[in-house]
Amino acid sequence: GAGVSQSPSNKVTEKGKDVELRCDPISGHTALYWYRQSLGQGLEFLIYFQGNSAPDKSGLPSDRFSAERTGGSVSTLTIQRTQQEDSAVYLCASSPDYILSKQYFGPGTRLTVL
Amino acid sequence: AQKVTQAQTEISVVEKEDVTLDCVYETRDTTYYLFWYKQPPSGELVFLIRRNSFDEQNEISGRYSWNFQKSTSSFNFTITASQVVDSAVYFCALMGSNFGNEKLTFGTGTRLTIIP
Repeated sequence: GAGVSQSPSNKVTEKGKDVELRCDPISGHTALYWYRQSLGQGLEFLIYFQGNSAPDKSGLPSDRFSAERTGGSVSTLTIQRTQQEDSAVYLCASSPDYILSKQYFGPGTRLTVL
Repeated sequence: AQKVTQAQTEISVVEKEDVTLDCVYETRDTTYYLFWYKQPPSGELVFLIRRNSFDEQNEISGRYSWNFQKSTSSFNFTITASQVVDSAVYFCALMGSNFGNEKLTFGTGTRLTIIP
């Protein structure tokens, strides 16, 4: 079956522009997670959704970052007024529920802010 | 706060040698889950194993084995008879059960290179 998909696979943007990153989880998975992987910070948690609600937004680096999930499926991570330090690979994962299940990761979106 | 430490940044071994990747964790949760993920050069994280804090039995899956020791807060990963395809970055991760800890906290990863 289809795995987690993310789009775009690569995004190059200029400093100050807004970007939207999309994640399509595995069908039926209720939990969805966003992580960021960068050279300086390793793999870090950003936010997770249980259904359409986000119980834990503690990992979002600043108020320039926001995420939403609609219909319990697709999620969008938006970064406003991008900065060079936002350059990283943004990973999405989904799981049938949280805590108990393993997370299935997508291929990631590589964001480069010039 | 949760923390995962992978002290080995890079390891190189010759093919067919055994290699152990270390993982030490910290958490105050009584129920938690430990994971290992593999990230090959293609970049996609591949799940290897999940253990819960109440199950300290060691596990073997083919050439892979895991040693979970609660007393030392360690969850080490051994590859026996290593192969070139095992070359990747390996991440140990922890997920707690209390609010705020219900997310994967990753170690910094160990880059494993298998030399043919």
